[in-house]
Amino acid sequence: EAGVAQSPRYKIIEKRQSVAFWCNPISGHATLYWYQQILGQGPKLLIQFQNNGVVDDSQLPKDRFSAERLKGVDSTLKIQPAKLEDSAVYLCASSLVGGQNTGELFFGEGSRLTVL
Amino acid sequence: AQSVAQPEDQVNVAEGNPLTVKCTYSVSGNPYLFWYVQYPNRGLQFLLKYITGDNLVKGSYGFEAEFNKSQTSFHLKKPSALVSDSALYFCAVRGLDSNYQLIWGAGTKLIIKP
Repeated sequence: EAGVAQSPRYKIIEKRQSVAFWCNPISGHATLYWYQQILGQGPKLLIQFQNNGVVDDSQLPKDRFSAERLKGVDSTLKIQPAKLEDSAVYLCASSLVGGQNTGELFFGEGSRLTVL
Repeated sequence: AQSVAQPEDQVNVAEGNPLTVKCTYSVSGNPYLFWYVQYPNRGLQFLLKYITGDNLVKGSYGFEAEFNKSQTSFHLKKPSALVSDSALYFCAVRGLDSNYQLIWGAGTKLIIKP
């Protein structure tokens, strides 16, 4: 079974530029999550989708971050304009419905963003 | 407030020795507790969980964790460490908000020396 796919793996941009990350979840997983992981910290949930609807985006900095999951499958996370503090690994995860109950999330390898 | 603490940034263990990675939590009610592992340049992988039942839960790669309600702890253990166990370990607890979001610890780096 294919895992969660993310791209690009690495991205270096200058502040005020824009960047987009792509995620394709495990087939059949209705729930998709984007997390931000800053070095030395645990993952921070940015947004959770159930199919193509947003379940929770309370910690998404909406003035610069946006995410979509138009057809309920793959998803894109965009940052525009980027700030230095956005340097982090962006993790995509997916789960079956109720994954937060069971705690069994499946993560991609992450996209490492460096903002100069 | 709901929180998870991993008091050790790094744990060093000799290969073949038992290992313990500590986790304490603060959440009201009955907690759902989880351990994940992150190998270098890889995504997080689910190791094990406690929801209810036996306080000692077994997971992947020979790991187990012990739930202690009175001490609000959920320490990860393994009887005999392998060099390949070297990784970053995260403890998480399910929060009590309407979406039951996972609350994560900051992680503990486990180094197993040959």
